[in-house]
Amino acid sequence: GQSLEQPSEVTAVEGAIVQINCTYQTSGFYGLSWYQQHDGGAPTFLSYNALDGLEETGRFSSFLSRSDSYGYLLLQELQMKDSASYFCAVRDGAGKSTFGDGTTLTVKP
Amino acid sequence: NAGVTQTPKFRVLKTGQSMTLLCAQDMNHEYMYWYRQDPGMGLRLIHYSVGEGTTAKGEVPDGYNVSRLKKQNFLLGLESAAPSQTSVYFCASITRDGYEQYFGPGTRLTVT
Repeated sequence: GQSLEQPSEVTAVEGAIVQINCTYQTSGFYGLSWYQQHDGGAPTFLSYNALDGLEETGRFSSFLSRSDSYGYLLLQELQMKDSASYFCAVRDGAGKSTFGDGTTLTVKP
Repeated sequence: NAGVTQTPKFRVLKTGQSMTLLCAQDMNHEYMYWYRQDPGMGLRLIHYSVGEGTTAKGEVPDGYNVSRLKKQNFLLGLESAAPSQTSVYFCASITRDGYEQYFGPGTRLTVT
Protein backbone atom coordinates (compact mmCIF):
# COMPACT_ATOMS: atom_id res chain seq x y z
CA GLY A 1 0.00 0.00 0.00
CA GLN A 2 0.85 3.65 -0.02
CA SER A 3 0.82 6.20 2.79
CA LEU A 4 2.09 9.74 3.21
CA GLU A 5 2.63 11.90 6.27
CA GLN A 6 2.79 15.67 6.37
CA PRO A 7 2.22 18.23 9.11
CA SER A 8 -1.38 19.34 9.51
CA GLU A 9 -0.70 23.06 9.93
CA VAL A 10 2.06 25.58 9.35
CA THR A 11 2.00 29.31 10.06
CA ALA A 12 4.43 31.91 8.72
CA VAL A 13 4.60 35.66 8.09
CA GLU A 14 4.56 37.46 4.78
CA GLY A 15 7.97 37.52 3.12
CA ALA A 16 9.27 34.54 5.06
CA ILE A 17 10.31 31.07 3.87
CA VAL A 18 8.41 27.95 4.88
CA GLN A 19 9.13 24.26 4.37
CA ILE A 20 6.44 21.57 4.28
CA ASN A 21 7.77 18.06 4.77
CA CYS A 22 6.37 14.80 3.43
CA THR A 23 7.43 11.25 4.20
CA TYR A 24 5.99 8.40 2.20
CA GLN A 25 5.72 4.65 1.99
CA THR A 26 4.90 3.14 -1.37
CA SER A 27 5.24 -0.11 -3.25
CA GLY A 28 6.61 1.16 -6.55
CA PHE A 29 7.59 4.81 -6.82
CA TYR A 30 6.77 7.07 -9.76
CA GLY A 31 7.75 10.34 -8.20
CA LEU A 32 6.48 12.78 -5.60
CA SER A 33 4.09 15.54 -6.61
CA TRP A 34 2.85 18.64 -4.81
CA TYR A 35 -0.53 20.31 -5.18
CA GLN A 36 -2.07 23.51 -3.85
CA GLN A 37 -5.72 23.88 -2.96
CA HIS A 38 -7.49 27.06 -1.97
CA ASP A 39 -10.72 26.89 0.01
CA GLY A 40 -13.57 25.71 -2.19
CA GLY A 41 -11.35 25.10 -5.18
CA ALA A 42 -9.83 22.17 -7.00
CA PRO A 43 -6.22 21.10 -6.38
CA THR A 44 -3.68 22.54 -8.80
CA PHE A 45 -0.28 21.10 -9.60
CA LEU A 46 2.81 22.82 -8.22
CA SER A 47 5.86 20.62 -8.58
CA TYR A 48 7.19 17.13 -9.20
CA ASN A 49 10.33 15.16 -8.35
CA ALA A 50 11.19 11.81 -9.89
CA LEU A 51 14.88 11.92 -9.02
CA ASP A 52 16.79 13.04 -5.94
CA GLY A 53 17.48 16.71 -5.64
CA LEU A 54 15.89 20.09 -5.86
CA GLU A 55 13.44 21.33 -8.49
CA GLU A 56 12.85 25.06 -8.63
CA THR A 57 9.82 26.79 -10.11
CA GLY A 58 9.75 30.44 -9.31
CA ARG A 59 9.10 31.01 -5.60
CA PHE A 60 8.37 27.31 -5.11
CA SER A 61 10.96 24.54 -4.89
CA SER A 62 10.59 20.86 -4.15
CA PHE A 63 13.17 18.39 -2.91
CA LEU A 64 13.29 14.61 -2.94
CA SER A 65 15.45 12.00 -1.24
CA ARG A 66 14.39 8.57 -2.44
CA SER A 67 16.71 6.76 -0.03
CA ASP A 68 14.97 8.50 2.89
CA SER A 69 11.46 8.33 1.34
CA TYR A 70 11.26 12.03 2.09
CA GLY A 71 10.52 15.21 0.28
CA TYR A 72 9.64 18.79 1.01
CA LEU A 73 8.06 21.81 -0.60
CA LEU A 74 9.81 25.14 -0.03
CA LEU A 75 7.87 28.35 -0.44
CA GLN A 76 9.90 31.56 -0.53
CA GLU A 77 8.90 35.22 -0.28
CA LEU A 78 5.55 34.22 1.15
CA GLN A 79 2.51 36.19 0.06
CA MET A 80 -0.95 36.32 1.59
CA LYS A 81 -2.31 34.49 -1.45
CA ASP A 82 -0.13 31.49 -0.55
CA SER A 83 -2.51 30.73 2.33
CA ALA A 84 -3.94 27.41 1.20
CA SER A 85 -3.69 23.66 1.74
CA TYR A 86 -0.71 21.82 0.27
CA PHE A 87 -0.73 18.12 -0.55
CA CYS A 88 2.03 15.70 -1.42
CA ALA A 89 1.09 12.73 -3.61
CA VAL A 90 2.65 9.57 -5.00
CA ARG A 91 1.66 7.23 -7.82
CA ASP A 92 2.66 3.59 -8.14
CA GLY A 93 3.49 1.62 -11.26
CA ALA A 94 -0.10 0.41 -11.63
CA GLY A 95 -1.43 3.97 -11.76
CA LYS A 96 -2.83 4.10 -8.25
CA SER A 97 -2.54 7.58 -6.75
CA THR A 98 -2.39 8.48 -3.05
CA PHE A 99 -2.49 11.93 -1.49
CA GLY A 100 -1.36 13.00 1.95
CA ASP A 101 -3.90 14.56 4.33
CA GLY A 102 -2.64 18.03 3.52
CA THR A 103 -0.89 20.89 5.31
CA THR A 104 -2.82 24.08 5.93
CA LEU A 105 -0.53 27.06 5.48
CA THR A 106 -1.57 30.32 7.08
CA VAL A 107 0.37 33.41 6.05
CA LYS A 108 0.09 36.33 8.45
CA PRO A 109 0.87 39.96 7.68
CA ASN B 1 -9.69 22.82 -24.49
CA ALA B 2 -12.18 22.53 -21.66
CA GLY B 3 -9.78 20.33 -19.65
CA VAL B 4 -11.66 18.25 -17.08
CA THR B 5 -15.35 18.93 -16.55
CA GLN B 6 -17.72 17.46 -13.97
CA THR B 7 -21.50 17.22 -14.03
CA PRO B 8 -23.38 18.20 -11.89
CA LYS B 9 -21.66 20.85 -9.75
CA PHE B 10 -24.10 20.50 -6.85
CA ARG B 11 -26.63 17.87 -5.85
CA VAL B 12 -28.79 17.05 -2.85
CA LEU B 13 -29.97 13.46 -2.50
CA LYS B 14 -32.16 11.69 -0.03
CA THR B 15 -30.91 8.54 1.65
CA GLY B 16 -31.43 5.57 -0.64
CA GLN B 17 -31.56 7.54 -3.88
CA SER B 18 -29.14 6.84 -6.71
CA MET B 19 -27.19 9.13 -8.99
CA THR B 20 -24.35 9.22 -11.48
CA LEU B 21 -21.56 11.76 -11.59
CA LEU B 22 -19.99 12.38 -14.96
CA CYS B 23 -16.37 13.31 -15.56
CA ALA B 24 -15.19 14.24 -19.03
CA GLN B 25 -11.71 15.17 -20.29
CA ASP B 26 -10.62 16.35 -23.71
CA MET B 27 -6.87 15.89 -23.30
CA ASN B 28 -6.73 12.25 -24.46
CA HIS B 29 -5.44 11.17 -21.05
CA GLU B 30 -5.18 7.46 -20.35
CA TYR B 31 -5.62 7.56 -16.57
CA MET B 32 -8.65 8.93 -14.74
CA TYR B 33 -9.44 9.10 -11.04
CA TRP B 34 -12.36 9.73 -8.70
CA TYR B 35 -11.59 11.18 -5.27
CA ARG B 36 -13.71 12.30 -2.38
CA GLN B 37 -12.73 15.07 0.00
CA ASP B 38 -14.42 15.55 3.35
CA PRO B 39 -14.13 18.89 5.19
CA GLY B 40 -10.59 19.54 6.39
CA MET B 41 -9.37 16.27 4.98
CA GLY B 42 -7.22 15.08 2.14
CA LEU B 43 -8.24 13.47 -1.12
CA ARG B 44 -9.15 9.81 -0.85
CA LEU B 45 -9.13 7.67 -3.96
CA ILE B 46 -12.44 5.92 -4.67
CA HIS B 47 -11.81 4.22 -8.02
CA TYR B 48 -9.49 4.77 -10.92
CA SER B 49 -9.03 3.70 -14.52
CA VAL B 50 -5.84 3.21 -16.52
CA GLY B 51 -7.61 2.95 -19.85
CA GLU B 52 -10.89 2.58 -21.69
CA GLY B 53 -12.82 -0.40 -20.39
CA THR B 54 -10.68 -0.82 -17.26
CA THR B 55 -11.39 0.16 -13.67
CA ALA B 56 -9.76 -0.56 -10.32
CA LYS B 57 -10.60 0.00 -6.68
CA GLY B 58 -8.96 2.73 -4.69
CA GLU B 59 -8.79 3.36 -0.99
CA VAL B 60 -12.53 3.85 -0.30
CA PRO B 61 -14.54 2.02 -3.01
CA ASP B 62 -17.48 0.71 -0.95
CA GLY B 63 -20.85 2.11 -1.98
CA TYR B 64 -19.58 3.32 -5.38
CA ASN B 65 -19.34 1.87 -8.85
CA VAL B 66 -17.59 3.23 -11.93
CA SER B 67 -17.49 2.73 -15.66
CA ARG B 68 -15.16 3.89 -18.41
CA LEU B 69 -16.83 2.95 -21.67
CA LYS B 70 -15.16 5.80 -23.56
CA LYS B 71 -11.64 7.07 -23.04
CA GLN B 72 -12.79 10.61 -22.39
CA ASN B 73 -15.51 9.79 -19.84
CA PHE B 74 -15.38 8.31 -16.35
CA LEU B 75 -18.68 7.79 -14.52
CA LEU B 76 -19.12 7.41 -10.77
CA GLY B 77 -22.35 5.84 -9.54
CA LEU B 78 -23.97 5.80 -6.14
CA GLU B 79 -26.60 3.04 -6.11
CA SER B 80 -28.10 3.79 -2.69
CA ALA B 81 -26.84 7.04 -1.23
CA ALA B 82 -26.03 7.31 2.48
CA PRO B 83 -25.35 10.41 4.61
CA SER B 84 -21.74 9.21 4.98
CA GLN B 85 -21.33 9.89 1.26
CA THR B 86 -21.86 13.61 1.77
CA SER B 87 -18.63 15.04 0.40
CA VAL B 88 -16.97 16.92 -2.43
CA TYR B 89 -16.09 14.65 -5.33
CA PHE B 90 -13.18 15.46 -7.61
CA CYS B 91 -12.29 13.84 -10.87
CA ALA B 92 -8.76 14.00 -12.28
CA SER B 93 -6.90 12.78 -15.33
CA ILE B 94 -3.27 12.30 -16.32
CA THR B 95 -1.24 10.83 -19.14
CA ARG B 96 0.29 7.40 -18.62
CA ASP B 97 3.78 8.82 -18.21
CA GLY B 98 2.76 12.18 -16.84
CA TYR B 99 3.18 13.67 -13.40
CA GLU B 100 0.55 16.42 -13.33
CA GLN B 101 -3.01 15.44 -12.53
CA TYR B 102 -5.61 17.79 -13.97
CA PHE B 103 -8.63 18.19 -11.73
CA GLY B 104 -12.22 19.03 -12.46
CA PRO B 105 -14.02 21.74 -10.45
CA GLY B 106 -15.68 19.23 -8.13
CA THR B 107 -19.21 18.08 -7.36
CA ARG B 108 -20.65 19.02 -3.98
CA LEU B 109 -22.98 16.23 -2.88
CA THR B 110 -25.20 16.33 0.19
CA VAL B 111 -27.14 13.25 1.28
CA THR B 112 -29.92 13.92 3.80
